[in-house]
Amino acid sequence: AQSVTQLDSHVSVSEGTPVLLRCNYSSSYSPSLFWYVQHPNKGLQLLLKYTSAATLVKGINGFEAEFKKSETSFHLTKPSAHMSDAAEYFCVVSGGTGGFKTIFGAGTRLFVKA
Amino acid sequence: NAGVTQTPKFRILKIGQSMTLQCTQDMNHNYMYWYRQDPGMGLKLIYYSVGAGITDKGEVPNGYNVSRSTTEDFPLRLELAAPSQTSVYFCASSYSGGEGYGYTFGSGTRLTVV
Repeated sequence: AQSVTQLDSHVSVSEGTPVLLRCNYSSSYSPSLFWYVQHPNKGLQLLLKYTSAATLVKGINGFEAEFKKSETSFHLTKPSAHMSDAAEYFCVVSGGTGGFKTIFGAGTRLFVKA
Repeated sequence: NAGVTQTPKFRILKIGQSMTLQCTQDMNHNYMYWYRQDPGMGLKLIYYSVGAGITDKGEVPNGYNVSRSTTEDFPLRLELAAPSQTSVYFCASSYSGGEGYGYTFGSGTRLTVV
């Protein structure tokens, strides 16, 4: 069975400081992992994805994530937060055989203070 | 390139009414999905389709129906609307089952049942 846990429902940072959004997953197979961003009243946009290639994945808008199999984690980071990064972020695990196997995390809302 | 287009953006229904949420994509994706998003609950899969003429239930299908007569269109039908169906609905599409490719989302339909 697959599952995904976003460890923080809310994260607040100051503009210019680093961002860390944490995600742990569970999967019986080698999963594909994704981060999506959702700005207020918008649809979800793909930030980055891991598909068993390089463990450090770079995405759009300066975000990156590192796949750590030993820790079953896929945390999202950014060196310096910008006001425009304020949004909700979803970690997603996908993969496996038989049936439909894509699971969304509950989301982490990122607040950026001026 | 429009991507995934959803209509309407907002709708208020009375209990017991019916409506169809429209979704169309122009990327020739075989896979299409309907999700609902409730506060703090992430996204829950309602129905999905792996191609024209093929649909299957997701995690929360009760009270909904779908059809897929063409590759482009995947409408979601609500019969006998109930307050529990108040939610934001997202349609998405993907090239394959999502593994390795990620989804393209529409901008959502905000539905209120009163």
